[in-house]
Amino acid sequence: AQKVTQAQTEISVVEKEDVTLDCVYETRDTTYYLFWYKQPPSGELVFLIRRNSFDEQNEISGRYSWNFQKSTSSFNFTITASQVVDSAVYFCALSERSGGTSYGKLTFGQGTILTVHP
Amino acid sequence: ETGVTQTPRHLVMGMTNKKSLKCEQHLGHNAMYWYKQSAKKPLELMFVYNFKEQTENNSVPSRFSPECPNSSHLFLHLHTLQPEDSALYLCASSFAWGEQFFGPGTRLTVL
Repeated sequence: AQKVTQAQTEISVVEKEDVTLDCVYETRDTTYYLFWYKQPPSGELVFLIRRNSFDEQNEISGRYSWNFQKSTSSFNFTITASQVVDSAVYFCALSERSGGTSYGKLTFGQGTILTVHP
Repeated sequence: ETGVTQTPRHLVMGMTNKKSLKCEQHLGHNAMYWYKQSAKKPLELMFVYNFKEQTENNSVPSRFSPECPNSSHLFLHLHTLQPEDSALYLCASSFAWGEQFFGPGTRLTVL
């Protein structure tokens, strides 16, 4: 069975600090996708990134960066120079290809509540 | 209109009521999903529809009844709910097993 663990329940930082959100996953699949989603107070989950299990290249998008390490089954997310607007719940998720069919089943972590203070 | 839309955004119902949640996706995706998000619990997958056929039912009580008339529309019919069913219900869609795009959710309160 798949499992995603986000050990940090809540993180509080001051604006302009860097912050890293941890994600560790378990799967028996050799092919899978990893995701990060952001859930602001409005409730809608906003897709941030998808990473294929065969692609361990790290990615940077503006102030966001992701570190995927298959050897440690981790997919960590770093926000550089955090801003108040980054305050949200962040979810890491793992998708398995269900029985070879054309849809995925997401397993979510518990989420990390990030609060950025001015 | 673009993306994934859900109506209503808020719903309060009694335990004997019958109501329906609606989801519509304008992304041309083949798969649609219902999730439940309760306080202090991870998101739980409830149902999956692929090309309008139900392919997953994650042991959801029968008081929740999904319907998918076509690949763009998804409904969740509710009847005789319990207070513990109060939660945020999220709809999502995806192309194959790529990223899922979520709607804004329906915040349901069962009295």
